[in-house]
Amino acid sequence: DVKVTQSSRYLVKRTGEKVFLECVQDMDHENMFWYRQDPGLGLRLIYFSYDVKMKEKGDIPEGYSVSREKKERFSLILESASTNQTSMYLCASTSPRSGVATQYFGPGTRLLVL
Amino acid sequence: DQQVKQNSPSLSVQEGRISILNCDYTNSMFDYFLWYKKYPAEGPTFLISISSIKDKNEDGRFTVFLNKSAKHLSLHIVPSQPGDSAVYFCAASAGTDKLIFGTGTRLQVFP
Repeated sequence: DVKVTQSSRYLVKRTGEKVFLECVQDMDHENMFWYRQDPGLGLRLIYFSYDVKMKEKGDIPEGYSVSREKKERFSLILESASTNQTSMYLCASTSPRSGVATQYFGPGTRLLVL
Repeated sequence: DQQVKQNSPSLSVQEGRISILNCDYTNSMFDYFLWYKKYPAEGPTFLISISSIKDKNEDGRFTVFLNKSAKHLSLHIVPSQPGDSAVYFCAASAGTDKLIFGTGTRLQVFP
């Protein structure tokens, strides 16, 4: 079974803080993704990575950055947290070797920025 | 520009009946479609998928139908159970691993 873990289930941060969200997958997947989920907006892609050291902007990258130093780990960084970044953050992974686009998700991190 | 649309934000169905969740898309390049189920405070879990070369895929109580000419897909759950109460997202891809998600439909199955 694919296992995607996220470092925290719940986080509370203050405006202006630097926030790190960590994601680790154990299936040797090349591709990893960060989404945020907000009511009525579905899942929106923030950043994704097809390989170590590689990153691509998704649909809403502003205010975020990412780091992929190891294949299994993909970090999302909020450089200076703002209240509009309060959301559920979801990490996912997949492998092009599987031949299909099915992504496997972690449990999510619910972030509250005060 | 919402390429994948779920126009019904919520659906309420009695236990034992059929649940039908709908999804429309605009991009004719989409060739793979998926449904995910999400419980509160959990990540989405993959439910069922369909390739654009098919018009139906079935897995137990879940069936996905694809109508390419109408750019429409639907998920049928028969019979519906209380444990099916969740938010359902449809998603689509166009030959890559990048998925475009709809906004979700909250299904409530009541006794």
